[in-house]
Amino acid sequence: GESVGLHLPTLSVQEGDNSIINCAYSNSASDYFIWYKQESGKGPQFIIDIRSNMDKRQGQRVTVLLNKTVKHLSLQIAATQPGDSAVYFCAENIFGSGNTGKLIFGQGTTLQVKP
Amino acid sequence: NAGVTQTPKFQVLKTGQSMTLQCAQDMNHEYMSWYRQDPGMGLRLIHYSVGAGITDQGEVPNGYNVSRSTTEDFPLRLLSAAPSQTSVYFCASSVRRASGQGEQFFGPGTRLTVL
Repeated sequence: GESVGLHLPTLSVQEGDNSIINCAYSNSASDYFIWYKQESGKGPQFIIDIRSNMDKRQGQRVTVLLNKTVKHLSLQIAATQPGDSAVYFCAENIFGSGNTGKLIFGQGTTLQVKP
Repeated sequence: NAGVTQTPKFQVLKTGQSMTLQCAQDMNHEYMSWYRQDPGMGLRLIHYSVGAGITDQGEVPNGYNVSRSTTEDFPLRLLSAAPSQTSVYFCASSVRRASGQGEQFFGPGTRLTVL
């Protein structure tokens, strides 16, 4: 079946460096994507989203890139800080089916920031 | 606003017992969803609702029932608990935007253990 997946389970970066977390999706009908951050013992927290009519969107220290040709999504975190340590999930939502409350999540990438 | 609230935070059940996980939101969101998260995994959609009186199944609906009698509340019922239902359960809500669904806000989760 269709799925959203992440390339690497764990990413370790030095404090101050930039982080790039990748995500592959397989559902060509997906036209809305979200990145979430989940800290230990907490619920997922929205970071940034992007719609399929865009290929880049920037937030505060974060950038999401969407490559529809290869069905690839990435999250870039600039100047990574210890507080960025968490599990990051990408999720896709499929429009057009009426199931607008339906998100499919990937397994997650653990980001470890070394001081 | 309290956002999305869930009760209880922790619950231990014996196999065969039934119980209801409560979820409420005070943001007047149309969409509400229930997810389960198993260790080291992403979130899987159990049931969701696009408005009061409307519910639908997600990826893993078996063993769970939902109802949506009000906009604010979306309880999840376990009919006959099984050890396979040991998991962390998250409730989420989201607005409906002109361009589709908006970001989902997650509750803090309910950690359920079935013995």
